[in-house]
Formats: sequence, structure tokens, C-alpha cells
Amino acid sequence: NAGVIQTPRHKVTGKGQEATLWCEPISGHSAVFWYRQTIVQGLEFLTYFRNQAPIDDSGMPKERFSAQMPNQSHSTLKIQSTQPQDSAVYLCASSLGDWGDQDTQYFGPGTRLLVL
Amino acid sequence: GDSVTQTEGLVTLTKGLPVMLNCTYQTTYSPFLFWYVQHLNEAPKLLLKSSTDNKRTEHQGFYATLHKSSSSFHLQKSSVQLSDSALYFCALSEDNAGAKLTFGGGTRLTVRP
Repeated sequence: NAGVIQTPRHKVTGKGQEATLWCEPISGHSAVFWYRQTIVQGLEFLTYFRNQAPIDDSGMPKERFSAQMPNQSHSTLKIQSTQPQDSAVYLCASSLGDWGDQDTQYFGPGTRLLVL
Repeated sequence: GDSVTQTEGLVTLTKGLPVMLNCTYQTTYSPFLFWYVQHLNEAPKLLLKSSTDNKRTEHQGFYATLHKSSSSFHLQKSSVQLSDSALYFCALSEDNAGAKLTFGGGTRLTVRP
């Protein structure tokens, strides 16, 4: 079990460019979550999918951010027209998604995005 | 909305001493509480979780008890080790263990020799 895989691990973009971040959940997990981590804001929920369907995107900035899960093996987070304030570590997590008491989110290593 | 408060941003202790990291929460739902630990440049990893009132849960020498009456889930360890130096996050999910997590601000624990 390779765990949650996130690529790239580091990304540097210029202001105004687009950034696409990839997440491969643990095999067999049906729920995928995206979080953002900064020193100032800490860990913030962005969005999540269950069985590829978007469930809750209440944490997503309304402009420029979008997320998709085209199949059960990967999800993408896209940031259009990146701004310096988008610089953060973007964490993906996956879980069984069975709503059981033992369900647990397992985090990937994150993608460190730096917008210059 | 839900919120989680960790009052200590930074805790520095000498090896072998006990530690307690505070966590209080606010929610209108039936809460699941978690402690995650994040070592430098690594992913957060689950340390403990609980949804049962007044029941102590333990893992790797750490323990915590969910007290719904005081909305608290403090993390404790009787004797810290150098390897415990890390960032500790308390988190909350609503109604079930698989829902989105609301995190506290985190406590950085540094253990010195």
C-alpha cells in the first residue's frame, strides 16, 4: 500500500499562471478530501468527493479554484490565475467513506505551491 | 459553524516530563474528535480519535478523553521523548468519523534533551 500519492511535490508558478495538483487516493477508498495548510491559517478544508461525486466544496475559494474526480483513482485541484496568497501546502486525504465509526482520513505528503 | 481551539501554539519541554496539549471545540452536532501529529516535512498522521464521552483512548503512549460536558479533548503523555517533537493538531468532524475535518491551529511541541 503506497498511501496517498500527490504530484508534484513542489511547484513554482508565476503570478497569473495556472497550477494543477494531482492526488491518487489509497486503493479502495471512496472518499477524497482536499485541504490547504499555511502558517497563518493553519489547516483548512477545501472540498471533498465521495464515490467521485462532489459532496461539499464549502471551503473552496469561489473564484479560480476548481476540483474534479474523473475516476476513482485520481482527483485534481486546479488553480487558475494563481496569486501569491495561494502559496501553501495542498494536502489530499482519502478514507474508506463508509460512514463507519472506524473511518479515518489518511493524508498524502502534500504539494508545496509557491507563487512568485 | 464548527470550531476547534488549541490554546498553546508552542510548547517546549525537557525529555521525560509529562505534557498536556489543550483542545476545546464547538459544534452543534455529535462530535468525533481526532489528534493528528505532523513531523517536519511529513503528512499529518492520525494519533487518536474518539466519539465516546468520558472514555480514555490511548495510542503510542499518548492518551486523551473526550469530555462532552466541557467540550474538551486534551492530549496527554506521561513522559515525552525527543521523537515526540512535532506539530500536533486537534480536529473535529460532525456526526461521523468520515466527514470533513475542522482543525485547530496546531501546537508545536519541542522536546529538548
